[in-house]
Amino acid sequence: GENVEQHPSTLSVQEGDSAVIKCTYSDSASNYFPWYKQELGKRPQLIIDIRSNVGEKKDQRIAVTLNKTAKHFSLHITETQPEDSAVYFCAASNAGNMLTFGGGTRLMVKP
Amino acid sequence: EAGVAQSPRYKIIEKRQSVAFWCNPISGHATLYWYQQILGQGPKLLIQFQNNGVVDDSQLPKDRFSAERLKGVDSTLKIQPAKLEDSAVYLCASSAIGGAERQYFGPGTRLTVT
Repeated sequence: GENVEQHPSTLSVQEGDSAVIKCTYSDSASNYFPWYKQELGKRPQLIIDIRSNVGEKKDQRIAVTLNKTAKHFSLHITETQPEDSAVYFCAASNAGNMLTFGGGTRLMVKP
Repeated sequence: EAGVAQSPRYKIIEKRQSVAFWCNPISGHATLYWYQQILGQGPKLLIQFQNNGVVDDSQLPKDRFSAERLKGVDSTLKIQPAKLEDSAVYLCASSAIGGAERQYFGPGTRLTVT
């Protein structure tokens, strides 16, 4: 089955700096890659997603890039703000349409 | 638009007892998912429904877990008997598109097994 590895597990940045979270996946048939943000005690919220026929997607301060050859994808957050502090999860969906999540990255943005 | 609803929000039971969770998806969403999220980990899919049919239940521990979605709308997940390792947040999600895309999560039920 699919295996998704996420790095780093924790990330601390200064407000205004950029943050990058990276994920690798194992199943070359995976074709859908969402990112979720989960604040403490809250539900995961979909913040951006990308399909395998696209290499990059941007939405305001967040962007996702996908390298199908290397089987990795990344989340980029620019001009970070304290409210960006949360746990971020990447995920990948294989041909069986089952979403497999990474282990999460705790992002801390220091004011 | 109302989001995914779940109840109860919290549940504490002793091991070997049974427990049931309820989920009502976003109106019109045909696909419903149940996930288990252990503290400090990402959600793990337990079962996926398309309308009232099971699409994938390969990671559901069927000796103790069961789920149903009889009328293709709301769903229940049951654990019987519960074990200590079942302590987790149980998340329900729904999607209008199907497959694994654009899933929207409910608030979850935090289960503690003592």
